Amino acid sequence: GIQVEQSPPDLILQEGANSTLRCNFSDSVNNLQWFHQNPWGQLINLFYIPSGTKQNGRLSATTVATERYSLLYISSSQTTDSGVYFCAVERPNDYKLSFGAGTTVTVRA
Amino acid sequence: NAGVTQTPKFQVLKTGQSMTLQCAQDMNHNSMYWYRQDPGMGLRLIYYSASEGTTDKGEVPNGYNVSRLNKREFSLRLESAAPSQTSVYFCASRPGTSGPIQETQYFGPGTRLLVL
Repeated sequence: GIQVEQSPPDLILQEGANSTLRCNFSDSVNNLQWFHQNPWGQLINLFYIPSGTKQNGRLSATTVATERYSLLYISSSQTTDSGVYFCAVERPNDYKLSFGAGTTVTVRA
Repeated sequence: NAGVTQTPKFQVLKTGQSMTLQCAQDMNHNSMYWYRQDPGMGLRLIYYSASEGTTDKGEVPNGYNVSRLNKREFSLRLESAAPSQTSVYFCASRPGTSGPIQETQYFGPGTRLLVL
């Protein structure tokens, strides 16, 4: 199956700092999503971004499909940004998302 | 609009016991999914249902069965629970059916299962 690698595995930030999370994938995809799992376990979709760039408040994401990677940017981090960020991809005609292992982000006040 | 709901929230089982995890969505979505999440890992797909009346195996189907009861409900059954099935189980749904439809998945709050 498709391989999804996320880096770094862990990230500790001081409140107000910026950061970049990376997702590499091993095959062509037609669906890529970023999710945030908060400390209570709830999974929230952040972006549906198979290609291009999107922004939502302090978060933005860029996917370069031809080079098989996606980046998630967190700017001016807040303690509420803490949690695990997952990248998930889907190959054409597969109709199943494959998840990376996640990046655990801890934002300290 | 409750989105995706799951019951129960927590469950403790003894090895060999059976149970059914319930999932329902009120968004008129066609596709539904069951995942498990183990510590330090991403989500792994157990089973999915691309439309009412169909089910397919995912990455880790052994030890589980599913039923797509109707368009709203998708249940996951453990016939004989094992300690290796201790995990957090998530149900998800999305609007589309099979084919090249790229859409967002919506997740339920999860069920924490401990098998002793």
